[in-house]
Amino acid sequence: LAKTTQPISMDSYEGQEVNITCSHNNIATNDYITWYQQFPSQGPRFIIQGYKTKVTNEVASLFIPADRKSSTLSLPRVSLSDTAVYYCLVGEPVDNFNKFYFGSGTKLNVKP
Amino acid sequence: GAGVSQSPRYKVAKRGQDVALRCDPISGHVSLFWYQQALGQGPEFLTYFQNEAQLDKSGLPSDRFFAERPEGSVSTLKIQRTQQEDSAVYLCASSLDRDGLETQYFGPGTRLLVL
Repeated sequence: LAKTTQPISMDSYEGQEVNITCSHNNIATNDYITWYQQFPSQGPRFIIQGYKTKVTNEVASLFIPADRKSSTLSLPRVSLSDTAVYYCLVGEPVDNFNKFYFGSGTKLNVKP
Repeated sequence: GAGVSQSPRYKVAKRGQDVALRCDPISGHVSLFWYQQALGQGPEFLTYFQNEAQLDKSGLPSDRFFAERPEGSVSTLKIQRTQQEDSAVYLCASSLDRDGLETQYFGPGTRLLVL
């Protein structure tokens, strides 16, 4: 059972703000929402994580509405190097650790 | 500093062969995860270690898959009698905390091709 749903692909231009929305209708009370970036032939790289409302770090913002059934990753002023696959995932607490469910990801293509 | 390393980076095996994939996590990291990533898909959870204890192996596809982390650092994922459907990238990740909620640092993966 897929935990998250994302658009398959998105196009953008350099300098634009990009928002990638993910739906996770079955998110549980204790689940966290995490976003990863992956380039070809590399492992995923952590971008940002949140539980509710808004989280911001030096590379992105994460917006989570009150019902937590969706989340939006916001990348300000993208560059060509941001072309990658972005994964939204939920972390499900199981005993004393968390299991993470990756979806199929969103392929972001940034054009000059 | 050194990140998560995996070896070999590429492995070609004949169907029926056994393979062993190695993961060197970041020193001091408590949690270690193995994932399988098929072409064009997101990573899928295989198994999880907290130090040397394997707390969850529910994602292992069959009893041909076996993972260990005997001293709580280096981990090995072993696949016995490989099949073509085992062809994928195998990713290892480690995190400093006990429950994996902190940043998971991924290695580059081992690309396995079973002929």
